[in-house]
Amino acid sequence: DIQLTQSPSFLSASVGDRVTITCRASQGISRSLSWYQQKPGKAPKLLIYAASTLQGGVPSRFSGSGSGTEFTLTISSLQPEDFATYYCQQLNSYPLTFGGGTKVEIK
Amino acid sequence: EVQLVESGGGLVQPGGSLRLSCAASGFTFSDHYMEWVRQAPGKGLEWVGRSRNKALSYTTEYAASVKGRFTISRDDAQKSLYLQMDNLRTEDTAIYYCVRTYCNGGNCYRFDYWGQGALVTVDS
Repeated sequence: DIQLTQSPSFLSASVGDRVTITCRASQGISRSLSWYQQKPGKAPKLLIYAASTLQGGVPSRFSGSGSGTEFTLTISSLQPEDFATYYCQQLNSYPLTFGGGTKVEIK
Repeated sequence: EVQLVESGGGLVQPGGSLRLSCAASGFTFSDHYMEWVRQAPGKGLEWVGRSRNKALSYTTEYAASVKGRFTISRDDAQKSLYLQMDNLRTEDTAIYYCVRTYCNGGNCYRFDYWGQGALVTVDS
């Protein structure tokens, strides 16, 4: 199975901060990686797919990069509505797996 | 507008069975792969399994944790996806999400629409 390790698991940041979350895969997955945002009590929402493609309707302050085993999600200027938990996911091989999540909280 | 609405959740005893349904609307259901993803209380996301589309003969894939106990099926005429869960364990307690997948040419790129989830509680 491909393990996805997200870091950090928790981060505290202020509105306007630049935030970067890393996702490392235990083996190469090309660019078959998505990022999701989840708010409490809600279903996850797709932000980024194919490592760097922004899903329609997602603000441009979100961006993704990487290939192979290392990927990043960047929020260029954190907004109040961005405080949430973020998950990466690989779609390269079965079983499909998710990272453990990164909770972004208000400093 | 794409909508996915789960139903059938509830409380069941260990060893029991439950069937979840997912009603889809707003897209051509038969064209899409569909997934079930679950989330235990306070925990992360876990992929449960996949139903491929008609073109791939509705074949399925499962996570090892549910293989042999859970069965995914679908009825394209009813635009519905199902998850039959047998021999349930306490560790199956979770919110279960129905998810649409975008695939093209045999490659799948994203879980693009999620339902609101159905809570399944396994407890004596």
